[in-house]
Amino acid sequence: DAGVIQSPRHEVTEMGQEVTLRCKPISGHDYLFWYRQTMMRGLELLIYFNNNVPIDDSGMPEDRFSAKMPNASFSTLKIQPSEPRDSAVYFCASSFNGDYNEQFFGPGTRLTVL
Amino acid sequence: AQSVAQPEDQVNVAEGNPLTVKCTYSVSGNPYLFWYVQYPNRGLQFLLKYITGDNLVKGSYGFEAEFNKSQTSFHLKKPSALVSDSALYFCAVRDSDGQNFVFGPGTRLSVLP
Repeated sequence: DAGVIQSPRHEVTEMGQEVTLRCKPISGHDYLFWYRQTMMRGLELLIYFNNNVPIDDSGMPEDRFSAKMPNASFSTLKIQPSEPRDSAVYFCASSFNGDYNEQFFGPGTRLTVL
Repeated sequence: AQSVAQPEDQVNVAEGNPLTVKCTYSVSGNPYLFWYVQYPNRGLQFLLKYITGDNLVKGSYGFEAEFNKSQTSFHLKKPSALVSDSALYFCAVRDSDGQNFVFGPGTRLSVLP
């Protein structure tokens, strides 16, 4: 398996623009997580899905952020409109429920909002 | 609610010396504990975990961790550090429903040649 795949790896955009981050989890994994990493706040869980259903979105910072998982092999995290304070590295991770839950992380998307 | 503390922002150790990266936790039930490593510009990589059984857990790249229930600690150790071990290390604890991790703030390990 290729592991968790994220695209794009880097994104530079201007304030006010819509940003869409994409994730393909490992085949067979039934949990998917979105994290944000910054120097100030460290690693923050934004939202996670189980069998494509959002379970906990309490970490989503505000209504400008939304996430979807239309099927077991694809998820998106959308920011609309983007702001400079959204600049961070966004990670997607997946795990398999029956394997004591270690998560497998993608390489991340480095987002810069100018 | 569960929480994880990594009391040291930075650990420096000379190559060949033993290393320890500290982690303490707070969780209501039985703890499930994990260590991850992050190299520059990479995602986190799983190192090892404690679920049950032996308090000493062995993982990837020669790392091990010791679970101590009375001290609520799960320190990461390696007998002989390598320069290539230099990275950011995260301790994590799983909460009661089993799917949400809480990560510690991370400890930057620098192994000096």
